[in-house]
Amino acid sequence: NAGVMQNPRHLVRRRGQEARLRCSPMKGHSHVYWYRQLPEEGLKFMVYLQKENIIDESGMPKERFSAEFPKEGPSILRIQQVVRGDSAAYFCASSPYQGYEQYFGPGTRLTVT
Amino acid sequence: AQKITQTQPGMFVQEKEAVTLDCTYDTSDQSYGLFWYKQPSSGEMIFLIYQGSYDEQNATEGRYSLNFQKARKSANLVISASQLGDSAMYFCAMRGGNTGKLIFGQGTTLQVKP
Repeated sequence: NAGVMQNPRHLVRRRGQEARLRCSPMKGHSHVYWYRQLPEEGLKFMVYLQKENIIDESGMPKERFSAEFPKEGPSILRIQQVVRGDSAAYFCASSPYQGYEQYFGPGTRLTVT
Repeated sequence: AQKITQTQPGMFVQEKEAVTLDCTYDTSDQSYGLFWYKQPSSGEMIFLIYQGSYDEQNATEGRYSLNFQKARKSANLVISASQLGDSAMYFCAMRGGNTGKLIFGQGTTLQVKP
């Protein structure tokens, strides 16, 4: 049973470009959480999605960030017009049920130059 | 508001000794869950141990145990017989609210000395 998959593992973007981060949850999991880890800090919740629905986006920056989890395919975290402050590790976690244990992916390290 | 506090930025322990990593939390929820994760230098998040707020016994998983003191709102991680491979960052987290999102502390860096 494959774990949570994230790709790419490392992503380099220049300021102003778009970054797309993908997360494939574990088989049978329909709940996905995205977290961001800035250097030397703990993880911060960004958004919680179920298939085709955003349930909680209280941690998402108001501008430039969006997330989706379509009926088919991976969940996507999209960052438009990236800035240096977006450089961080982005983790996704999946769960079979709301409030159940979350299983983390390996993370995507985004570097904005 | 829910909050997790880890007051030890860094800790050292001698190999084969036990170490306690501190974690205090704040919540008004009656039902909540507490987690510990390990993050080695490779960066992945490894689940270690879970304690539910209604669990009467302290959770244990191999060399890891969680010292849960509900009245003091603390959930300290105890690692027994430390190994060199335990050197990593350790995060305490709480499952908050209705959606199950995790709230993390700032982390504690543990270094195990040979």
